[in-house]
Amino acid sequence: DAGITQSPRHKVTETGTPVTLRCHQTENHRYMYWYRQDPGHGLRLIHYSYGVKDTDKGEVSDGYSVSRSKTEDFLLTLESATSSQTSVYFCAISERETESNQPQHFGDGTRLSIL
Amino acid sequence: EDKVVQSPLSLVVHEGDTVTLNCSYEVTNFRSLLWYKQEKKAPTFLFMLTSSGIEKKSGRLSSILDKKELSSILNITATQTGDSAIYLCAVRPMEYGNKLVFGAGTILRVKS
Repeated sequence: DAGITQSPRHKVTETGTPVTLRCHQTENHRYMYWYRQDPGHGLRLIHYSYGVKDTDKGEVSDGYSVSRSKTEDFLLTLESATSSQTSVYFCAISERETESNQPQHFGDGTRLSIL
Repeated sequence: EDKVVQSPLSLVVHEGDTVTLNCSYEVTNFRSLLWYKQEKKAPTFLFMLTSSGIEKKSGRLSSILDKKELSSILNITATQTGDSAIYLCAVRPMEYGNKLVFGAGTILRVKS
């Protein structure tokens, strides 16, 4: 199994509070991704990183920010959580960008409920 | 806008049946198509199909890419209860970032 640890695994919080989710990898992979998974939508990309301090937006980035100060850690922050951000959040990693590259591998997810 | 559509949305079969899951896509500059299986937690990788590898097989699971029809199928023969899961199809466009575009998934339930 890919060495990906997400924390916390579960969190319940209130609307308007800040929330930070952490993804930690031990594979030294270059690319890291944050997705959210909601019924009927599959996995949707929030933000991704292609190196330390290098990040970019995905298709559903509004209301989220990310940071990557070390290769192994990728943080996702909800500055002021809203109920629409209740979801399961997955972190993924991949190695390099070539035709024969490895697929993305996923962490076990964080279940976030915003009341 | 890149798009991936999976069908059916859900499926219930009996052990021993053969199932076919479908995935169609519209992406600019296709690079590869991936299948994942998701049980209770993380999606786990099954297959990656590219222009140079349009058919993959592993045990009872097999997948074919049809680049002309912009689609792929995932076949599972002699289904078992352990095959019950969400099956996700994703497409990787030829753009920077190694990103994936996912379909909504097919929920498969295998009854004993």
